[in-house]
Amino acid sequence: EAGVAQSPRYKIIEKRQSVAFWCNPISGHATLYWYQQILGQGPKLLIQFQNNGVVDDSQLPKDRFSAERLKGVDSTLKIQPAKLEDSAVYLCASSRGTGEIYEQYFGPGTRLTVT
Amino acid sequence: GQQVMQIPQYQHVQEGEDFTTYCNSSTTLSNIQWYKQRPGGHPVFLIQLVKSGEVKKQKRLTFQFGEAKKNSSLHITATQTTDVGTYFCAVRNTGGFKTIFGAGTRLFVKA
Repeated sequence: EAGVAQSPRYKIIEKRQSVAFWCNPISGHATLYWYQQILGQGPKLLIQFQNNGVVDDSQLPKDRFSAERLKGVDSTLKIQPAKLEDSAVYLCASSRGTGEIYEQYFGPGTRLTVT
Repeated sequence: GQQVMQIPQYQHVQEGEDFTTYCNSSTTLSNIQWYKQRPGGHPVFLIQLVKSGEVKKQKRLTFQFGEAKKNSSLHITATQTTDVGTYFCAVRNTGGFKTIFGAGTRLFVKA
């Protein structure tokens, strides 16, 4: 089966600019996750969707970050305006559900550099 | 709130030596997952442990879940250069649905 697709792979923007990332999960996977991974750290969950509903967004900086999964399939994550500390790899992952077995499949990530 | 600690942060080994990383939680866990991330790559699922005291093996890798379901370990026997990368534990609280990743243990293997 095809893996999790993400685009773009790399993005360089100046602070205060806007940026959007796109993710297409594995077909049939109900749960979609966006993570932020700063160099040398573990992935930090930003938002988790179950179909098109939000399960958890407690660590999403809502003043500048937004995410949607309108049709319960692909998703976009937006940052507006970007800050220097947003420089990181943004990982999208998907899983079949959130039940007891919920192996997550990760996409290749988008490396964001804010200058 | 939920805290998960991984130790050590880094480990340098000679090829052929063993390696162990530990994951410790401040609260009782529903389950624990282990992922491997190669340099420049993305996390790849290795295994999930659910039962108290559970031990699972994958070739040279042995995963263990503590009796109290608050800690776990990953042991690699006779490391190879292909084992290089960062090993993360990912935990979920009892009754929860949010996954929290540890900071990871980065393994360096010298040939």
